[in-house]
Amino acid sequence: GEDVEQSLFLSVREGDSSVINCTYTDSSSTYLYWYKQEPGAGLQLLTYIFSNMDMKQDQRLTVLLNKKDKHLSLRIADTQTGDSAIYFCAEIRNGNYGGSQGNLIFGKGTKLSVKP
Amino acid sequence: EAQVTQNPRYLITVTGKKLTVTCSQNMNHEYMSWYRQDPGLGLRQIYYSMNVEVTDKGDVPEGYKVSRKEKRNFPLILESPSPNQTSLYFCATRRVSGANVLTFGAGSRLTVL
Repeated sequence: GEDVEQSLFLSVREGDSSVINCTYTDSSSTYLYWYKQEPGAGLQLLTYIFSNMDMKQDQRLTVLLNKKDKHLSLRIADTQTGDSAIYFCAEIRNGNYGGSQGNLIFGKGTKLSVKP
Repeated sequence: EAQVTQNPRYLITVTGKKLTVTCSQNMNHEYMSWYRQDPGLGLRQIYYSMNVEVTDKGDVPEGYKVSRKEKRNFPLILESPSPNQTSLYFCATRRVSGANVLTFGAGSRLTVL
């Protein structure tokens, strides 16, 4: 199938904003997700957005969704060294069971490096 | 505490020696899935299961088997491991309703010599 696309690397300075971009493929995805993977650990859900929303804000995190362009972005305000991790974008793609019972398909991940 | 438990966490084995990576969840989730993570390739789905006795292939099922005899367990079986199966493996679970949020295990790093 088609890929969920993300840039592989992003480097920012501590205190700056980080913006991680993602292009997904399935216009019928009901939810879109951002997961965070810290070094040596599994993936943890960071946030998700329902497809009928344009924006979702949660403390330092802002998710923007452009359904027309199938573009999702994650903005981290006041980026800290503890935000250094790999960030994965994911979409629900319809499987054999259709609709929201499909599978999560992940991008390759964006490695965020935060310099002091 | 909600948990997805994988074992072993680390394993070094040799080509052809059958192995099983276990995954167990205590959240009564219907859906379970196995992913492998490789540098530059991200997460790729191996197999998934929508419920007991219901399994389907993901994007990279070759060389793997799974079974789902009980709701809580979803073992990943490598009948004859090969070096190209050296990878970091993740089990994940979720409900099949609502926001479909996946909960991941901590990962199993497998090296096949």
